[in-house]
Amino acid sequence: ETGVTQSPTHLIKTRGQQVTLRCSSQSGHNTVSWYQQALGQGPQFIFQYYREEENGRGNFPPRFSGLQFPNYSSELNVNALELDDSALYLCASSSDGRRVADTQYFGPGTRLTVL
Amino acid sequence: SQKIEQNSEALNIQEGKTATLTCNYTNYSPAYLQWYRQDPGRGPVFLLLIRENEKEKRKERLKVTFDTTLKQSLFHITASQPADSATYLCALDIASNTGKLIFGQGTTLQVKP
Repeated sequence: ETGVTQSPTHLIKTRGQQVTLRCSSQSGHNTVSWYQQALGQGPQFIFQYYREEENGRGNFPPRFSGLQFPNYSSELNVNALELDDSALYLCASSSDGRRVADTQYFGPGTRLTVL
Repeated sequence: SQKIEQNSEALNIQEGKTATLTCNYTNYSPAYLQWYRQDPGRGPVFLLLIRENEKEKRKERLKVTFDTTLKQSLFHITASQPADSATYLCALDIASNTGKLIFGQGTTLQVKP
């Protein structure tokens, strides 16, 4: 059983650019959630995908968008990058996002720096 | 809006002692609460989940309590070891049937040998 993987591990972009982050969910999991973690803070929920459909969204602007593919891997896209987007982006997979108390398994994260 | 507060200051304790971390929340009645461990530069790792109808949950040296009247959870590590040094996060579900979580800011624990 492979764990959650994310790519790239680090990324540097300039303000106004666009970025795509990728996540491979754990084997057997159909749900992926994305979180943003600023330095010294807890993760903040961006959105969740369940079986290729968005299944809820946090307080993030529309320039944060995502996709989930038939193999349940996922992408997070951020357009028009701002300095405040600099953070660790975490992906978490779970076996059924519509089930209460579904344990989430986090990947190592992608560290995004916006200059 | 929902708010979760954890001790913002780092907790420093001596090896062998019990570490107690606090998580307080407001404006919400979560169905369950989770605790995670996060090491620097790594993603959070799930430790324990406790439901609203459970008062206490244990796993090896870990114990979690959940007081829905006080809106507080306590996380205990007994016989602490230097390897327990990390940041500990508590998280509540945002909606009862989706597993979407809101996290506290985390408390950093440092166990000294």
